[in-house]
Amino acid sequence: EVQLLESGGGLVQPGGSLRLSCAASGFAFSYSAMNWVRQTPGKGLEWVSMICDSRGDTYYADSVKGRFTVSRDSSKNTLYLQMNSLRGEDTAIYYCARPNGGNCNSAYSHWGQGALVTVSS
Amino acid sequence: DIVMTQSPDSLAVSLGERATINCKSSQSVLYSSNNRNYLAWYQEKPGQPPKLLIHWASTRESGVPDRFSGSGSGTDFTLTISSLQAEDVAVYYCQHYYSAPFTFGQGTKVEIK
Repeated sequence: EVQLLESGGGLVQPGGSLRLSCAASGFAFSYSAMNWVRQTPGKGLEWVSMICDSRGDTYYADSVKGRFTVSRDSSKNTLYLQMNSLRGEDTAIYYCARPNGGNCNSAYSHWGQGALVTVSS
Repeated sequence: DIVMTQSPDSLAVSLGERATINCKSSQSVLYSSNNRNYLAWYQEKPGQPPKLLIHWASTRESGVPDRFSGSGSGTDFTLTISSLQAEDVAVYYCQHYYSAPFTFGQGTKVEIK
């Protein structure tokens, strides 16, 4: 059974940094594409980033490019999102999501429960 | 970047009646080499992660009730709930996964009339 569990959320001041983790199990993590998606009450769902299969190609939304970095540690079956220069508009619930079959261009069949990030002074 | 636009933003439907949500992409998400539309529909309820309902525009995910159906091709897509049930009250999103960034629509809130 595929399981995804996010951690690392919390309250951070504007301009600060935070690293989210997503512990994965139940599938071949190192060969799977993985995504980060965030949800805000005002803006709905927003795709944030993807790391695509074992090559490690990465992609980002324009809103986070240059500030966020996605990475993975296959020895720990863990996905990360390093978030720097955080802004109020980054306040959201952050989900990690695995696409069907682990393919880079597939819909997201498995989601974690989410980690809340609040950016406020 | 591909922009996804849903309509309406919200709708209220009587129990047992049909609900229809539209999604339009700013460019085609049909990949000609495999004739597949890279389009998904998700359901989101408060306090829960999104749930995949439909992928490849019209393929129902395993376990999803058959009252949910997806249609369309190219740039215009529709999610239909044939007979609305109380448990279908949620926000519904379309998303393309044709090429990054994989943008979502703004969401459509479905309520009971």
